[in-house]
Amino acid sequence: EVQLVESGGGLVQPGGSLRLSCAASGFTFSSYWMHWVRQAPGKGLVWVSRINSDGSSTSYADSVKGRFTISRDNAKNTLYLQMNSLRAEDTAVYYCARGGYYYDSSPPDYWGQGTLVTVSS
Amino acid sequence: EIVMTQSPATLSVSPGERATLSCRASQSVSSNLAWYQQKPGQAPRLLIYGASTRATGIPARFSGSGSGTEFTLTISSLQSEDFAVYYCQQYNNWPPFGQGTKVEIK
Repeated sequence: EVQLVESGGGLVQPGGSLRLSCAASGFTFSSYWMHWVRQAPGKGLVWVSRINSDGSSTSYADSVKGRFTISRDNAKNTLYLQMNSLRAEDTAVYYCARGGYYYDSSPPDYWGQGTLVTVSS
Repeated sequence: EIVMTQSPATLSVSPGERATLSCRASQSVSSNLAWYQQKPGQAPRLLIYGASTRATGIPARFSGSGSGTEFTLTISSLQSEDFAVYYCQQYNNWPPFGQGTKVEIK
């Protein structure tokens, strides 16, 4: 069974940093693209970032470019999102999701339950 | 950047009735279009990919159609568990999501 479990969320002050983790199991993690998607309270889904299977290719939404860094450790079956210079508008539930098998040609199919990040003083 | 526009924002439907949701892309995404269902407090669930292929375990009452820039999700006979928010997503380019359509009980 495919499982994605996010952790690392919490309350952080504006300008602060946080690192999210997503532990994957039930599939060959090193073969899949992975995504981070967020959802502000009461709002819609917003794609944040993606990374290819070996970590050599990444992309970001304009709203987080230069502040967030996606990475992965295939030996640990774990996806990360390092978030720096956090702003109030980054407050959201952050989901990790599984993407395509080797190629970025499929939509995210499995999603974690999300971790809440609150940016507030 | 491709912009995805969903309509209507809210759809009021009685149980047993048909629901038709629309999604328009600002430029062609071929058939690289997915639909998700999200219920309160839950993660999104993939319903449709490739514009018309149901994901594993999705009931036949959900169907998708379209290509290029115009897409439709049809729920043939709404069940109580189908009242939720539905998002379209193009995966031809990123970022991908529409703003969602809420299907509520009439």
